[in-house]
Order: sequence, then C-alpha cells, then structure tokens
Amino acid sequence: NAGVTQTPKFRVLKTGQSMTLLCAQDMNHEYMYWYRQDPGMGLRLIHYSVGEGTTAKGEVPDGYNVSRLKKQNFLLGLESAAPSQTSVYFCASSYESGTPRYNEQFFGPGTRLTVL
Amino acid sequence: DAKTTQPTSMDCAEGRAANLPCNHSTISGNEYVYWYRQIHSQGPQYIIHGLKNNETNEMASLIITEDRKSSTLILPHATLRDTAVYYCIVRVAYRDDKIIFGKGTRLHILP
Repeated sequence: NAGVTQTPKFRVLKTGQSMTLLCAQDMNHEYMYWYRQDPGMGLRLIHYSVGEGTTAKGEVPDGYNVSRLKKQNFLLGLESAAPSQTSVYFCASSYESGTPRYNEQFFGPGTRLTVL
Repeated sequence: DAKTTQPTSMDCAEGRAANLPCNHSTISGNEYVYWYRQIHSQGPQYIIHGLKNNETNEMASLIITEDRKSSTLILPHATLRDTAVYYCIVRVAYRDDKIIFGKGTRLHILP
C-alpha cells in the first residue's frame, strides 16, 4: 500500500494564479483532511470530508475550495493564490470506526507551496 | 482553541527517558488522548492513544492521571532519531471532525 500520497511535492505560484493539490489514499478511509502548516506553527485544519461527496470547513477555510468526488481522492483548490497562502500543506485520512485504534490519522508527505 | 497545553520545547540526553507532559484540564468523558510526532518536515506520525488507563506500545508509554486532566508521554530510551515535535491531542472516540493540533513540544535529543 502506498498510504497517503500528495501531488505535487513542490510548487511556486505567482499571486493570482490558481492550482489544485491532489491527495490520494489507498486504505479505503472514510475521512480525509487538508491542513496547512506555517513555519514554527502547528497544523491548522483547512477543510475535511467525512465521506465521498461531502466536504466541510475547518479552522482556516478562506481562499480554498475542496472536492471529494471519489472516496480515495481529496482535492484542494486555490482559485487566486495569495502570498499568505505560502505554506506546507498536509493531507491526512482516517478510517473512523468504533475502535479508537483505527482512528489514527495517516498523513501524506506534504506539498510545499510558495506564492510570490 | 487547542484543548491541550504543552511546553514549547524540551531537551533530553540520548539514552535517557524522555517525559513529555500535556495538560488537558477540560477533557470530556468520551475524549481520548492521542499523541503524534512530526520529524523534521515530514507528515505527523501516530504514536499512541489512551482513555484512562496507562498504555504501552513498541514506541512509547502513555501515563494518564486519575482525574484525566493531564498525561505524560514517555520515550523510554531516547535516541537522536526521536528529535521531533510531539503533539498531544484530545478527541472523541471516532467520527470526530474537530481535531485540533496545537503547536506541540519540540523535543531535542542531545548526544
């Protein structure tokens, strides 16, 4: 199993450009999450999904959109990138069953985005 | 707001036990304590979790106080590879969509 993969690993954008970050998981997990991490900070939740076709806002959703058309994929979109969106973006997924041990989040390797 | 409070940083000598504290004074009866760590710039990695009993696995031990308002993660024999940021999180058993990562504790293992 590949676990959680993220595409691309690095990206540089100019202000106003758009892009989509792809997250894929092969563990048949229900829940998927997008976080951002700024230097010296913890992770902040942007959006999440509790199942195929569903999305919800997290702590810092402004400037981002998401879609979960397939259970294994969770896309994060930036319609008009701003320098404040320079960050490392992590995707995660979790199974979410009645057994707490299986509710750990599995994280991808991250996407480093710079907006000039 | 984060539901947990952790020291910003800690040092530990290589080979010694690293004890990382976490305060979660507002924890609810149905919330578990989870620990993750983030090595350098990688994605966070699950370590251990518990409800009210002490737990141990191949990576660490988790000690939760009787009133459940605080806990301690113990790395029994710290190595240089344990240098990381450690996050303490409280969340309900499952289907919790309000998981909050704070800033964590930056653990430095000293040679």
